[in-house]
This record gives sequence, structure tokens and C-alpha cells, in this order.
Amino acid sequence: EAQVTQNPRYLITVTGKKLTVTCSQNMNHEYMSWYRQDPGLGLRQIYYSMNVEVTDKGDVPEGYKVSRKEKRNFPLILESPSPNQTSLYFCASSRNREQPQHFGDGTRLSIL
Amino acid sequence: QKEVEQNSGPLSVPEGAIASLNCTYSDRGSQSFFWYRQYSGKSPELIMFIYSNGDKEDGRFTAQLNKASQYVSLLIRDSQPSDSATYLCAVNDNFNKFYFGSGTKLNVKP
Repeated sequence: EAQVTQNPRYLITVTGKKLTVTCSQNMNHEYMSWYRQDPGLGLRQIYYSMNVEVTDKGDVPEGYKVSRKEKRNFPLILESPSPNQTSLYFCASSRNREQPQHFGDGTRLSIL
Repeated sequence: QKEVEQNSGPLSVPEGAIASLNCTYSDRGSQSFFWYRQYSGKSPELIMFIYSNGDKEDGRFTAQLNKASQYVSLLIRDSQPSDSATYLCAVNDNFNKFYFGSGTKLNVKP
């Protein structure tokens, strides 16, 4: 089954404790992206990747890091999380930047 | 700042009616346009995508694009209660980024 898998689905943690949210897709997609969704603000792009070792900033990259060492994986790293990063996060992938994106089930992060 | 604007709603329509959802975007360089449906607590799922001016139909759904007016819409015919959700408009730009509107909440009343 074609899918985008995110882990964990839920996480409560504390300010400053490094965390990684994993994202994996099994569709051999080139384009992968991370979004955060906040009430009233819609989905905002954090980082995206056009292919392996090619990543770039989206609209709200501050406080986040990503890497794309393998085509299928695109982890999101919060090195020093802060409460303003409490949000619902989605990973998505598509064949290329012009094609529709497939979304993971989401990760709800709470940073206290 | 590139923007995608949607009326937040809620838009209420009776069962069987046509629901019309609208979206405007600011970047004239946008090439691809998408409509996603999102149920509460769930991830967005693709409804339609459109690349060229005009209409594109898929079942009960029609996407309409007017690049000159920077306007894209989604029509849902024969609306069903199961169509009640938030509809997100998404647009890409010439620099590989995607922008989403904040969504229109649709309520279809039985």
C-alpha cells in the first residue's frame, strides 16, 4: 500500500530536549516536505526536499532542521524545542513539485 | 509574502445542493493548483488538481481555474453530509514551495 509514515503520532516533551520526527514514503517520490498546521493559519511549509541531499527552506524554517540521506526518508529535527513549536506536523511526498502530495497521518507535538 | 486566501466559513448548504468554494492566490508564477479535503483530526486528502485555465471535472467535483484573475474554485454537486469537512486550497510557486489557504469549513445539512 502506497503510504507516508510518520512517527511518533503523539509526543509531549519539554523545552530544550532534542527530538526527531521520522517520515518515510514507499512510493519512490522525489519531492518531500514538512508542514505545520496551527488553528487559523492553515498549513505552512517548514522545509522541502527536491531529491536526495537537496533540501531547502519553506516559509517557517526557524528552529527546525532536516536531512535527506535516502530517497524514502525525510526526518524533521527540533534541536532545542520551544513551546511555540507546539503544533500538528505533517510530512508529505509527491513524484515531483508539480504533482499532488500524499500526506502522512500527522504528528501532534506538545512542548511544555 | 505569497498568499492563498480562502473564506473560512462555515459554508452551510442543504443536502443535494451545489457547494461552491473559492480561493485566490497572489503569485502570478503559480503553475499547479490543488484542492484537499481535511476531516477534523485527520490528514489532508487530495480531491482535485488543475494546471490549465478552464474547468476540470471528476465525478461530483469540478475545479475551475482562471489564471488572469488568480482565482481557483471547487464546485461540489449533489452535496452529501459526508462532504462536511474543511477544504484546503494549495498552490505551488516557481521556486518549489507550496502555499496553503487556511481552509473553508463546509457543513452539509441533511
